Amino acid sequence: DSGVTQTPKHLITATGQRVTLRCSPRSGDLSVYWYQQSLDQGLQFLIQYYNGEERAKGNILERFSAQQFPDLHSELNLSSLELGDSALYFCASSVSGLAGTGELFFGEGSRLTVL
Amino acid sequence: GENVEQHPSTLSVQEGDSAVIKCTYSDSASNYFPWYKQELGKRPQLIIDIRSNVGEKKDQRIAVTLNKTAKHFSLHITETQPEDSAVYFCAASIPYTPLVFGKGTRLSVIA
Repeated sequence: DSGVTQTPKHLITATGQRVTLRCSPRSGDLSVYWYQQSLDQGLQFLIQYYNGEERAKGNILERFSAQQFPDLHSELNLSSLELGDSALYFCASSVSGLAGTGELFFGEGSRLTVL
Repeated sequence: GENVEQHPSTLSVQEGDSAVIKCTYSDSASNYFPWYKQELGKRPQLIIDIRSNVGEKKDQRIAVTLNKTAKHFSLHITETQPEDSAVYFCAASIPYTPLVFGKGTRLSVIA
């Protein structure tokens, strides 16, 4: 158990809909990262938050948005869903706000299926 | 930005043999190179990492080597066991930027 909690574990929805994925980082970790894992595409970095503020942005679509709340949990909002958005979405946390300086602790992921 | 290429995409070895996975990176400023293991249906977990001031690092049956001049790094697993079967991801990061992962290598250890 990494200490990172993601909900829901599985989600099935239709094209055009909107979903929210939730992540609670490990106790004490201030940074939250979101990654998308599609078939054969590895782990694509989406966005990083540190202590409530956006710290880095990757290949995140405009239809996607995220935020980190005062209690440090984070939500990833995916809207106007398309079939290609079907993927496993991972949240990861780390102690440091400086990306690339230490271990990422991943949650179990949220598997999104868009039909 | 950084780009990481990983080879091979799949690898099958006999139990007890060694496995080698190779990665190349594009940005010479990258200085942190971790490897993550993802078992089927599980989350990725860090197994070993290396920084650019070190050429090699070992931890029991696993080792990582880094060639900064050639901009490539490799994961070596010796005496492979069935529980080593998983997808392995290499990653690299430029200082203070998020990790960029390779596309993964699916390792199968055949008993």
